[in-house]
Amino acid sequence: GEDVEQSLFLSVREGDSSVINCTYTDSSSTYLYWYKQEPGAGLQLLTYIFSNMDMKQDQRLTVLLNKKDKHLSLRIADTQTGDSAIYFCAEVTDKLIFGTGTRLQVFP
Amino acid sequence: NAGVTQTPKFQVLKTGQSMTLQCAQDMNHNSMYWYRQDPGMGLRLIYYSASEGTTDKGEVPNGYNVSRLNKREFSLRLESAAPSQTSVYFCASSLWTGGTDTQYFGPGTRLTVL
Repeated sequence: GEDVEQSLFLSVREGDSSVINCTYTDSSSTYLYWYKQEPGAGLQLLTYIFSNMDMKQDQRLTVLLNKKDKHLSLRIADTQTGDSAIYFCAEVTDKLIFGTGTRLQVFP
Repeated sequence: NAGVTQTPKFQVLKTGQSMTLQCAQDMNHNSMYWYRQDPGMGLRLIYYSASEGTTDKGEVPNGYNVSRLNKREFSLRLESAAPSQTSVYFCASSLWTGGTDTQYFGPGTRLTVL
């Protein structure tokens, strides 16, 4: 079946790195996405990774994919208060399946 | 270029009332989607329209109907609202379905059913 799981909360100090984790169940997923949702707003695509890649780096963002364990992570370097938001991972098979979202709180 | 727009932003209904949520996109996308977002449950797909003239059920279609009015507009209708439909509703669009095309989201409609 299709199920994407994330931890609900993460709290980090400004300047530290944040790591948001996600597990998925469908090994036929072709793409995996990370979306960011700021308060009162819709979802905004942050980055994505093809299922045949292990890692993708985009400025402060690093995505790691472990296909064997069906585990995806998003690392945010030098986390800022503006990074406070809910982060959703999503897997793609024939449609987009979203995780439950991780609320990241950044404190000074 | 406004992207995906939704109206209204907020709505309060009484049980049994009906309403239509409107969504429009100006990106010439073929596919459009309606999701609901509930705490601790992520986004769940209600209905989608792969292309103009087609609509299909998603994960949680019961209690909803949709209309793909034209290529730009995709509306979601609640015929008889229930408290269980209290949620935030998001419309999204993409060039095509299949997931390889990025979905762009509207700002959401917060619906409360009393």
